[in-house]
Amino acid sequence: SQQGEEDPQALSIQEGENATMNCSYKTSINNLQWYRQNSGRGLVHLILIRSNEREKHSGRLRVTLDTSKKSSSLLITASRAADTASYFCATDTPGAQKLVFGQGTRLTINP
Amino acid sequence: DTGVSQDPRHKITKRGQNVTFRCDPISEHNRLYWYRQTLGQGPEFLTYFQNEAQLEKSRLLSDRFSAERPKGSFSTLEIQRTEQGDSAMYLCASSLRGGSAGELFFGEGSRLTVL
Repeated sequence: SQQGEEDPQALSIQEGENATMNCSYKTSINNLQWYRQNSGRGLVHLILIRSNEREKHSGRLRVTLDTSKKSSSLLITASRAADTASYFCATDTPGAQKLVFGQGTRLTINP
Repeated sequence: DTGVSQDPRHKITKRGQNVTFRCDPISEHNRLYWYRQTLGQGPEFLTYFQNEAQLEKSRLLSDRFSAERPKGSFSTLEIQRTEQGDSAMYLCASSLRGGSAGELFFGEGSRLTVL
């Protein structure tokens, strides 16, 4: 079963624009992570936000977390063609030692 | 390079055959995970090891699937009597973390095609 639901499933924007992806989850969490996956490759960790944090930045990435709404968003600013990939949120719940991934958002940046 | 490596990267087999995938995690990582990913979906958890102990198995892991990590280093995932529904990317990841799951470092995956 998958805990996270990403929205939208697919997003296509022009280079230079900002991209926002959302993730909703069902149960309480310890932390929430975002990963990126280029086509046919493994996943790469982008950022981790703990349940007691509300916002986190890393370079062009901004992640927010709203535990009351059980949702998170990933913002990529000033997008580049190289940002074209699938993006997944992943959560781990108290007592669990594994990450549960959502179905992902497929992001396409048009040059 | 000290990243997670998986072998083979691609495997094509006929239905009914057995296949085995190998994963070499980052050397100092004590946790090792196996996930399965089908096209257009997110990775689905299969099982994980802490050192050599297999601590959790998903209901997705039928009796035809077995995973081992004999010395707490590399791991193997074997699928017996493969079925077409087993076609997927099998991803291995490792982490060095106590308590809750931390950042996972993934390999490039082993893509299985069952004809």
